[in-house]
Amino acid sequence: EAQVTQNPRYLITVTGKKLTVTCSQNMNHEYMSWYRQDPGLGLRQIYYSMNVEVTDKGDVPEGYKVSRKEKRNFPLILESPSPNQTSLYFCASSPRTGDGQFFGPGTRLTVL
Amino acid sequence: GNSVTQMEGPVTLSEEAFLTINCTYTATGYPSLFWYVQYPGEGLQLLLKATKADDKGSNKGFEATYRKETTSFHLEKGSVQVSDSAVYFCALSDQAGTALIFGKGTTLSVSS
Repeated sequence: EAQVTQNPRYLITVTGKKLTVTCSQNMNHEYMSWYRQDPGLGLRQIYYSMNVEVTDKGDVPEGYKVSRKEKRNFPLILESPSPNQTSLYFCASSPRTGDGQFFGPGTRLTVL
Repeated sequence: GNSVTQMEGPVTLSEEAFLTINCTYTATGYPSLFWYVQYPGEGLQLLLKATKADDKGSNKGFEATYRKETTSFHLEKGSVQVSDSAVYFCALSDQAGTALIFGKGTTLSVSS
């Protein structure tokens, strides 16, 4: 089944404790992206990647890092999480830029 | 800059009623336009898309037509079902194709 998977689905952590949210797609898509969804603000792009070893900032990249060492994986790293990063995070992929994107199920992160 | 404006929700309808959710956009060039649906506790699913003026996207009884003259992409369905209850997002792909710009979302609630 074609899908985008994210782990974990739910995470509660404390300020400053480094964490990684994994994202993997099995569709051989070149493009991958991370979004966060917040009430009243909608979805905003954090980072994106157009191919292996090619990443770039979206609208809200502060406090986040990403890497794209393999085509299928695009982890989101929070080196020192803060409470304002409490949010619902979505990973997405598409065959190429400008196409409709396939979204993962989401990761709900709470930073205390 | 690019932006998407959706009608405020929630929209409450009875089963078999006609649905319209308005969406207008501001963008340079000729963006691709999308409607996504988010069911409770799930990620976003691509519902339909249109890539050029006068294109009509359709899926599962939903339709939307890309109207460049009015910069609109309104979502319609002739007869809604309870199972259509969800949050609907209008989105456009920016000119570089590297990001989706989302509206704030419209919650649809259908009762039997």
